[in-house]
Amino acid sequence: GNSVTQMEGPVTLSEEAFLTINCTYTATGYPSLFWYVQYPGEGLQLLLKATKADDKGSNKGFEATYRKETTSFHLEKGSVQVSDSAVYFCALTNGGATNKLIFGTGTLLAVQP
Amino acid sequence: DVKVTQSSRYLVKRTGEKVFLECVQDMDHENMFWYRQDPGLGLRLIYFSYDVKMKEKGDIPEGYSVSREKKERFSLILESASTNQTSMYLCASIWANSGEQYFGPGTRLTVT
Repeated sequence: GNSVTQMEGPVTLSEEAFLTINCTYTATGYPSLFWYVQYPGEGLQLLLKATKADDKGSNKGFEATYRKETTSFHLEKGSVQVSDSAVYFCALTNGGATNKLIFGTGTLLAVQP
Repeated sequence: DVKVTQSSRYLVKRTGEKVFLECVQDMDHENMFWYRQDPGLGLRLIYFSYDVKMKEKGDIPEGYSVSREKKERFSLILESASTNQTSMYLCASIWANSGEQYFGPGTRLTVT
């Protein structure tokens, strides 16, 4: 079945450091891939998405490229800020009428000043 | 802006009580979802609904039921709450054939 594996946290970085959070997936067909972010005390919100191979999603300085050959969708940011501290979830959907999402377990990012 | 609201942010219930968690969305979305979020397990799908009065079990439906009498409202019911249902519950909605789910702020339920 479909699944998402992402690196375990917590990831602790200093402000302005480079961030990578790894995500790999297993899926049949051609899934759409997502990164969601959950700030403390809030629900999840979409950070970025990619719907086909070699697409790059980007938002708020974050980027992720849909790599079909390595079944990966790693999240990167060149210079993190304290305000980026949150839990990040990688997810996929194979679409269809119900659009169920399959989530990874989440990675906690803590950025220190 | 799409808004998904949940009836409570925090809830404390006793073992054996019947618990209702309400979710309302204001964007006429067809599909709605209930997840629970636990540390180290990510989000797990409990139930979803793709139309009024239509529902399907997700990955962990045991101990839960749902109700969708109106398009904008999707309720999660714990018939007899147990301590292992202490968790964060998240509701989401989506247009059919769209990629993005919109989430509510979550309800942190504690069953004592």
